[in-house]
Amino acid sequence: EPEVTQTPSHQVTQMGQEVILRCVPISNHLYFYWYRQILGQKVEFLVSFYNNEISEKSEIFDDQFSVERPDGSNFTLKIRSTKLEDSAMYFCASRTGPNYEQYFGPGTRLTVT
Amino acid sequence: AQSVTQLDSQVPVFEEAPVELRCNYSSSVSVYLFWYVQYPNQGLQLLLKYLSGSTLVKGINGFEAEFNKSQTSFHLRKPSVHISDTAEYFCAVTHYNQGGKLIFGQGTELSVKP
Repeated sequence: EPEVTQTPSHQVTQMGQEVILRCVPISNHLYFYWYRQILGQKVEFLVSFYNNEISEKSEIFDDQFSVERPDGSNFTLKIRSTKLEDSAMYFCASRTGPNYEQYFGPGTRLTVT
Repeated sequence: AQSVTQLDSQVPVFEEAPVELRCNYSSSVSVYLFWYVQYPNQGLQLLLKYLSGSTLVKGINGFEAEFNKSQTSFHLRKPSVHISDTAEYFCAVTHYNQGGKLIFGQGTELSVKP
């Protein structure tokens, strides 16, 4: 069964450093998403991406964040200068179309020290 | 704006007992509703979804949920739980014309005891 994959599973970085979180969505999916979950809190929407551009972003997704689909298979989330409060589990998700069922990856745990 | 409230943060139950996890949503427009499960150290797995049609939706692992538009609820039920059902359960909503962005509730931790 096809699945969304994410790498790395755990990333530790120092405050102020840039990080790139990688996702490989399911191959025939067209809509891509990033969510995050701070420990003990709910899952929050960050950004959606369709047709090679951002279709919606949340207030969390400020200028420090960017997304890219560089090669038609990977979908990346970059944080330019990490802050302590960026520590969270980051989930990638994708869907094929208007049935609105999103498939989630296993997540990347980002720890900013 | 949409919001989702899961009324119970933790639900402890004994094995083979029935369980109901409550979810209420707020939206001024038509929505689609979902329940996701998160097992320890894993990602989110879709349990079931309501898009349209029958208000009683059956999902995987013996779970079902009922959409109640008048009460804006989408409670999750299982008649007999197993130890393996121990996990975090998230209710989520999206507006059908909103690009699929999911709004999640706070989650309910289901703990099944022998």
